[in-house]
Amino acid sequence: DAKTTQPPSMDCAEGRAANLPCNHSTISGNEYVYWYRQIHSQGPQYIIHGLKNNETNEMASLIITEDRKSSTLILPHATLRDTAVYYCIVSTGTASKLTFGTGTRLQVTL
Amino acid sequence: IAGITQAPTSQILAAGRRMTLRCTQDMRHNAMYWYRQDLGLGLRLIHYSNTAGTTGKGEVPDGYSVSRANTDDFPLTLASAVPSQTSVYFCASSLSSGRVNEQFFGPGTRLTVL
Repeated sequence: DAKTTQPPSMDCAEGRAANLPCNHSTISGNEYVYWYRQIHSQGPQYIIHGLKNNETNEMASLIITEDRKSSTLILPHATLRDTAVYYCIVSTGTASKLTFGTGTRLQVTL
Repeated sequence: IAGITQAPTSQILAAGRRMTLRCTQDMRHNAMYWYRQDLGLGLRLIHYSNTAGTTGKGEVPDGYSVSRANTDDFPLTLASAVPSQTSVYFCASSLSSGRVNEQFFGPGTRLTVL
């Protein structure tokens, strides 16, 4: 699976949009982009995934560049409860290929 | 039961002892997974099962074994625990092992091997 690069940490003010970047320049055509997050001491939680098109659900939006070499996860109105480590993963989707890196630690502040 | 559960929540174990971590899901998911998470590192896949009766090795399988006798349960066994197996262990499941791989995670088991 393609490797990903994320900033180790980011800050965001509560109520503002949090934009979390991810580089995946070696992504192949059959690999999806997945985002998970892990709130302190809990198990990871699925957020969203996409292949080519931008995606939106009740939690977040995923913007994938046209060349698919990078993506951005957007939390439109961050709250304190969104403080977590966010993992960007590229994978074909098979069980053995979902590899978690070290992610971005997002701190939402008042 | 709602979702995926793990037991015990935490455990302190003497080196050399045998230990089984339990994982149960009630979502009728076909695929199940075991990960370990060490301080400062991401999750690493230990073993997985695409469907009942089958298992496969992940990134760090040595020292661990699994079984999948039925759909709901996926126990992880440490035959002879060593201090390097001190970690937080997460069990997860997904509807299938296929392309749309939304995994649901349990609350974790914190294991300390002395």
